[in-house]
Amino acid sequence: GEDVEQSLFLSVREGDSSVINCTYTDSSSTYLYWYKQEPGAGLQLLTYIFSNMDMKQDQRLTVLLNKKDKHLSLRIADTQTGDSAIYFCAESTTNNNDMRFGAGTRLTVKP
Amino acid sequence: NAGVTQTPKFRVLKTGQSMTLLCAQDMNHEYMYWYRQDPGMGLRLIHYSVGEGTTAKGEVPDGYNVSRLKKQNFLLGLESAAPSQTSVYFCASSYSVLGTGNQPQHFGDGTRLSIL
Repeated sequence: GEDVEQSLFLSVREGDSSVINCTYTDSSSTYLYWYKQEPGAGLQLLTYIFSNMDMKQDQRLTVLLNKKDKHLSLRIADTQTGDSAIYFCAESTTNNNDMRFGAGTRLTVKP
Repeated sequence: NAGVTQTPKFRVLKTGQSMTLLCAQDMNHEYMYWYRQDPGMGLRLIHYSVGEGTTAKGEVPDGYNVSRLKKQNFLLGLESAAPSQTSVYFCASSYSVLGTGNQPQHFGDGTRLSIL
């Protein structure tokens, strides 16, 4: 089946930028998402990007999409300790009812 | 402002026992979903529903059944629990299919289920 892959761990210092990377295999992906999961909680949608876009910025978050390489990244500027969480990349297409998630990247922010 | 509520939050079962997980949403969403989350594997879709009275299979439906008798509730049943079903289960709902674009999926806080 189609896969979404991301590295499992990332550690940064407070105030630095974090970049979480994701690759996917389905060339017909229409929407790509970043979700945040804090301990003991469900997933919260952070941002999404439509496949005809290259970049989307929302305050401290910047999403970059390289559709040719099927590569998605999430950059968090001025990372804070409150950003420590698991970040999931996900993708979907318009013609089916399935959404595929990556395994999640655990971001640890050190003071 | 409840959103998506899952009950129970934790449960321990013995192999072969049955149980039902309840998901309730108060946002009048048409679409509801059940996922399981396992370490290193992300979320996998078990079953979903596109409206009251409808259900459909997702990626990993075996060993589970669902019902959507009321629009606000989506039940996930395990008829004969197996250790392989030990997982964290998440319910989600959305206004439109998959919460595409600016209609995101809203998730509950999860049910941690252990099968001994």
